[in-house]
Amino acid sequence: NAGVTQTPKFQVLKTGQSMTLQCAQDMNHEYMSWYRQDPGMGLRLIHYSVGAGITDQGEVPNGYNVSRSTTEDFPLRLLSAAPSQTSVYFCASSSPDRANSPLHFGNGTRLTVT
Amino acid sequence: KQEVTQIPAALSVPEGENLVLNCSFTDSAIYNLQWFRQDPGKGLTSLLLIQSSQREQTSGRLNASLDKSSGRSTLYIAASQPGDSATYLCAGRGSKDSSYKLIFGSGTRLLVRP
Repeated sequence: NAGVTQTPKFQVLKTGQSMTLQCAQDMNHEYMSWYRQDPGMGLRLIHYSVGAGITDQGEVPNGYNVSRSTTEDFPLRLLSAAPSQTSVYFCASSSPDRANSPLHFGNGTRLTVT
Repeated sequence: KQEVTQIPAALSVPEGENLVLNCSFTDSAIYNLQWFRQDPGKGLTSLLLIQSSQREQTSGRLNASLDKSSGRSTLYIAASQPGDSATYLCAGRGSKDSSYKLIFGSGTRLLVRP
């Protein structure tokens, strides 16, 4: 079972470059989200989506865009990378049953912005 | 604002010992609480999810409890093994939060010595 798949695993960008972090899930989960993990800061929510065509901002959305054209895919776009965006990015999904649904994580994308 | 704290930040125990990891949260209006395991360079794996109406959940050698009145959750690991070495994170989902956001603690890094 693939679960949540993130690509690439590693990426180095120069300041000002753009890129898209890919996330796909094969569990038919309606809810998908992006977190970033930084030392001493824990995991923080960037953007989330409760279904195709619906996205919303999380705790730290600045500098990131998302779209949700299908249930399976939830890409995260960095329009103009900054060193402050150096982090590990995790995509996660679950069903909307908040009481009973654990969050399933991908293995992360390690991004360095120089 | 919900805050989640995990103490200790790191723990080293000999193999076979029973141990308890602690998680505290500031807002008792919590919808559920999840415990995750994170191995180095990997994503998070959900271990146990406790609904707000429950007091504990068990899976194999793991037992998690939830006490909303005191704002505490514990993860009990019985007969620890070197393979249990990892970082353990707890995360709470607020009942009034429509973003389904999880608020994460910073984790406890566990080392089980052979």
